[in-house]
Amino acid sequence: KAGVTQTPRYLIKTRGQQVTLSCSPISGHRSVSWYQQTPGQGLQFLFEYFSETQRNKGNFPGRFSGRQFSNSRSEMNVSTLELGDSALYLCASSLTGGNNEQFFGPGTRLTVL
Amino acid sequence: GQQVMQIPQYQHVQEGEDFTTYCNSSTTLSNIQWYKQRPGGHPVFLIQLVKSGEVKKQKRLTFQFGEAKKNSSLHITATQTTDVGTYFCAPDRGSTLGRLYFGRGTQLTVWP
Repeated sequence: KAGVTQTPRYLIKTRGQQVTLSCSPISGHRSVSWYQQTPGQGLQFLFEYFSETQRNKGNFPGRFSGRQFSNSRSEMNVSTLELGDSALYLCASSLTGGNNEQFFGPGTRLTVL
Repeated sequence: GQQVMQIPQYQHVQEGEDFTTYCNSSTTLSNIQWYKQRPGGHPVFLIQLVKSGEVKKQKRLTFQFGEAKKNSSLHITATQTTDVGTYFCAPDRGSTLGRLYFGRGTQLTVWP
């Protein structure tokens, strides 16, 4: 069964721009979570979507948003990019979220110049 | 929010030595998961612990869940260079809309 895919894998943007990242979960998985990973900061939870609804949200500013489609694919958007947004953005899918095992995608490496 | 402390942050060992990372929570947990992330890779699920005092083994890896369900440990016996990576714990408090909070991880370096 195909794993979690994320596109694009690498992205370079400049401050002030906006970006949209995409995540396709494993077939049958209805929960998609997004994480931001920076050196030394571990995995910072952004939000979780389940059945097209945002079910949990981390402590990130409103510039970070997301959505989930009926086929469980998810997108996250970051507007008005700042230098500090440079990070690896990981999405993870699971059957129903919560304490289910999470399957991570390869991530999107975002660099903001 | 969830208070999770994972120690140590970094560990350097020589191949053959043992390694242990600890995950401590300020609140009682419903369960805890462990993940491994290789350099340049993404986190991969290792195991989930649910019961108080639970001990699970995977070859050279031993996972423990504390009696009070507030802490957990991962112990690797006789490390190998393939063990290199960052190990994350992900505790769950078991709320209705439970979600995982990842610790900052322990980065393991193994010298040959």
